[in-house]
Amino acid sequence: GESVGLHLPTLSVQEGDNSIINCAYSNSASDYFIWYKQESGKGPQFIIDIRSNMDKRQGQRVTVLLNKTVKHLSLQIAATQPGDSAVYFCAENRGTSYDKVIFGPGTSLSVIP
Amino acid sequence: KAGVTQTPRYLIKTRGQQVTLSCSPISGHRSVSWYQQTPGQGLQFLFEYFSETQRNKGNFPGRFSGRQFSNSRSEMNVSTLELGDSALYLCASSPGQGATNEKLFFGSGTQLSVL
Repeated sequence: GESVGLHLPTLSVQEGDNSIINCAYSNSASDYFIWYKQESGKGPQFIIDIRSNMDKRQGQRVTVLLNKTVKHLSLQIAATQPGDSAVYFCAENRGTSYDKVIFGPGTSLSVIP
Repeated sequence: KAGVTQTPRYLIKTRGQQVTLSCSPISGHRSVSWYQQTPGQGLQFLFEYFSETQRNKGNFPGRFSGRQFSNSRSEMNVSTLELGDSALYLCASSPGQGATNEKLFFGSGTQLSVL
């Protein structure tokens, strides 16, 4: 069936390096995508979102890229810090109802000091 | 603005018991969604409530139920607990105007362990 999936379940990066977390989606009709960050013992927190009419969106140290041709989403974190260690989820909104919000399996990011 | 509050943070129950979890959304948010999170299945949608009505339901058995009160606070109940119900239960609130326009605000969850 259709799903939102992450290519890498774990990612380790050196502090100060840039991180790239990837996400594949399969529903070409999806028009809204969100990245969430979940730290240990907490619920997911919103990081950044992007609509399908955009290719790129930047936030503070984070950038989301959307490639609709290959149905691929990525989250780039600049100058990764220890506080960035967490599990990152992409979410695909396939429709207006809340059961259409599909989360990927998550990528665990570990920052090496 | 206070965030989403879930109580209790931890619960330990035995098989066959029932449990009630509580969620207080962000003030002004009328939609509350519930998710089950496990290492093997990730985040799975349970149901969503808006204005005291269940609008959407995921693929969970009838042992999982919920309700929403007039102040938008929500509870979920799991009856006849099974070992496989052990999970982190998350609630998320949003204004409720449609998932394609809104991000979700999550609570810290209730960690349920069934022995």
